[in-house]
Amino acid sequence: AQSVTQLDSQVPVFEEAPVELRCNYSSSVSVYLFWYVQYPNQGLQLLLKYLSGSTLVKGINGFEAEFNKSQTSFHLRKPSVHISDTAEYFCAVTETGAGSYQLTFGKGTKLSVIP
Amino acid sequence: GAGVSQTPSNKVTEKGKYVELRCDPISGHTALYWYRQSLGQGPEFLIYFQGTGAADDSGLPNDRFFAVRPEGSVSTLKIQRTERGDSAVYLCASSSAEANVLTFGAGSRLTVL
Repeated sequence: AQSVTQLDSQVPVFEEAPVELRCNYSSSVSVYLFWYVQYPNQGLQLLLKYLSGSTLVKGINGFEAEFNKSQTSFHLRKPSVHISDTAEYFCAVTETGAGSYQLTFGKGTKLSVIP
Repeated sequence: GAGVSQTPSNKVTEKGKYVELRCDPISGHTALYWYRQSLGQGPEFLIYFQGTGAADDSGLPNDRFFAVRPEGSVSTLKIQRTERGDSAVYLCASSSAEANVLTFGAGSRLTVL
């Protein structure tokens, strides 16, 4: 079984400042990693994913994340945030291989961008 | 359709009543998933369909919860004898057979009074 820990439940940041949302996972097998964003009253939207290859993954809206196997982390970063980035962000993990469908989510981090 | 569609978007019911929540996945997606998101929590897996059959229903909390997908497309999540603890947002997602990426709907918010 796997688990995900998002270390910060809320992160306030000023507009145009950089941000990092932290995610650590636990698993006894190889994993795929995801970040989803949830805007108010909307469904989850995929930001980026790590399946294999380069450990630095670029996603939509200028976000990127780096997979660090030794530290079992997959932190999300953006060099300069906008007001429109205000949302809740969820890190998720699933085991690799056939039938890997059951995503395990963290509890989420609410990003508030301050004008 | 273009995305995953869920109805109703909001449902308020009384304790003990029966509820059905519907999910219409992306056309051609063979896999369909139900998740539940309680307040302040991340989504939790309920059940997964591959085609018409439930490939994994290990996340269903008890036998009051049941889901069907009779024609391999639309799915209905059914909750009997609802309890206040069932209040949550129920999320549906779909994916193609080859993909590991789930596309989520906007969810159905269930409130049990």
